[in-house]
Amino acid sequence: AQTVTQSQPEMSVQEAETVTLSCTYDTSESDYYLFWYKQPPSRQMILVIRQEAYKQQNATENRFSVNFQKAAKSFSLKISDSQLGDAAMYFCAYKGTNAGGTSYGKLTFGQGTILTVHP
Amino acid sequence: EPEVTQTPSHQVTQMGQEVILRCVPISNHLYFYWYRQILGQKVEFLVSFYNNEISEKSEIFDDQFSVERPDGSNFTLKIRSTKLEDSAMYFCASRELASDTQYFGPGTRLTVL
Repeated sequence: AQTVTQSQPEMSVQEAETVTLSCTYDTSESDYYLFWYKQPPSRQMILVIRQEAYKQQNATENRFSVNFQKAAKSFSLKISDSQLGDAAMYFCAYKGTNAGGTSYGKLTFGQGTILTVHP
Repeated sequence: EPEVTQTPSHQVTQMGQEVILRCVPISNHLYFYWYRQILGQKVEFLVSFYNNEISEKSEIFDDQFSVERPDGSNFTLKIRSTKLEDSAMYFCASRELASDTQYFGPGTRLTVL
């Protein structure tokens, strides 16, 4: 079974600085998808960024980028120019492919990292 | 921008009672999911639904749980006889046929007393 591990329960960053959130995963599949979701105090789950495992290029969305290391099974999120609105719980999530019918699209989540942004 | 909606936002019920949580997925999406998050814990998969049937379910999704798409828009999660440990945030999500990205609703907070 796939597992996702976020080893940092809490992180903090100064406004305008850069912070990196770590995520590792375990899988025997060669093709899969990885996601970062943000959960603010409202508890809504908001997609931040996604990465297809077959793409070597790291995904980028404005101030958010990932460092995807497939061999190391690592998928970290970098937030540049941090803003107060970035404060939230961040979840790393894994989705396998439909190959073999063992994973029909379900997401497996890590434990989450609480990010605090200091003004 | 289209979004997933869920009702109610907060449901309080007595242990042993039945509850139905409702979701309206994004209109052109064909895959539907329920997840739950016990307070302070990670989000856990419950069930996926496609083509009017369950495509996958977790060990959490036992006989007390059921899902239904009663019409062309709603997707419901029923808990037949609630337990204290069912208290959690329940999220509905949906995705398009050709996409791997799931979009989540705002969640329903279920409190079982």
